[in-house]
Amino acid sequence: DGGITQSPKYLFRKEGQNVTLSCEQNLNHDAMYWYRQDPGQGLRLIYYSQIVNDFQKGDIAEGYSVSREKKESFPLTVTSAQKNPTAFYLCASSRDRDTGELFFGEGSRLTVL
Amino acid sequence: DAKTTQPPSMDCAEGRAANLPCNHSTISGNEYVYWYRQIHSQGPQYIIHGLKNNETNEMASLIITEDRKSSTLILPHATLRDTAVYYCIVRPWDSNYQLIWGAGTKLIIKP
Repeated sequence: DGGITQSPKYLFRKEGQNVTLSCEQNLNHDAMYWYRQDPGQGLRLIYYSQIVNDFQKGDIAEGYSVSREKKESFPLTVTSAQKNPTAFYLCASSRDRDTGELFFGEGSRLTVL
Repeated sequence: DAKTTQPPSMDCAEGRAANLPCNHSTISGNEYVYWYRQIHSQGPQYIIHGLKNNETNEMASLIITEDRKSSTLILPHATLRDTAVYYCIVRPWDSNYQLIWGAGTKLIIKP
């Protein structure tokens, strides 16, 4: 089945630790995105990549980092500089950078202890 | 900020049509209306989008008013599995713009 796979689904970390969330897609999509969602709120864009080896900051990029070395992979690192990292993280992809039709993974829930 | 206004919650009886309104009074001529839904603790799912004509697919129908200042998403025969948060988003067909997500409408389908 084509789709987006995020892992892990649940993650716990101690304060001061970096953590990397995985996102893989087999849809052959050019564009990929990372969003953060807090309880009862809409999604906020962290980073997006329109093509391999290129990515752009979204609205809340501080404390996060990404890479896009392969078309199918777009990992997100939540660094210790992120002040409030506990959240639901969603990865998405789209056919190209012009369309607003995004395909989402099932999400990764990060809890900082 | 989101450019759309949606009611925070709605109820609908199972088997009836669910009509979800969205106000986008400041929409520009090149902006599309997108609808997504998010079932609890899952990733959002694309439903439909349109520019000015009404659109229909296997999931729903999208009715856009002639002045394009509002739209309605219609789920023709709602089931319990349609219980979700529904997001209405406007976006130009342009790579420089990203989707801006509001809080959406929590739709509860009741048996």
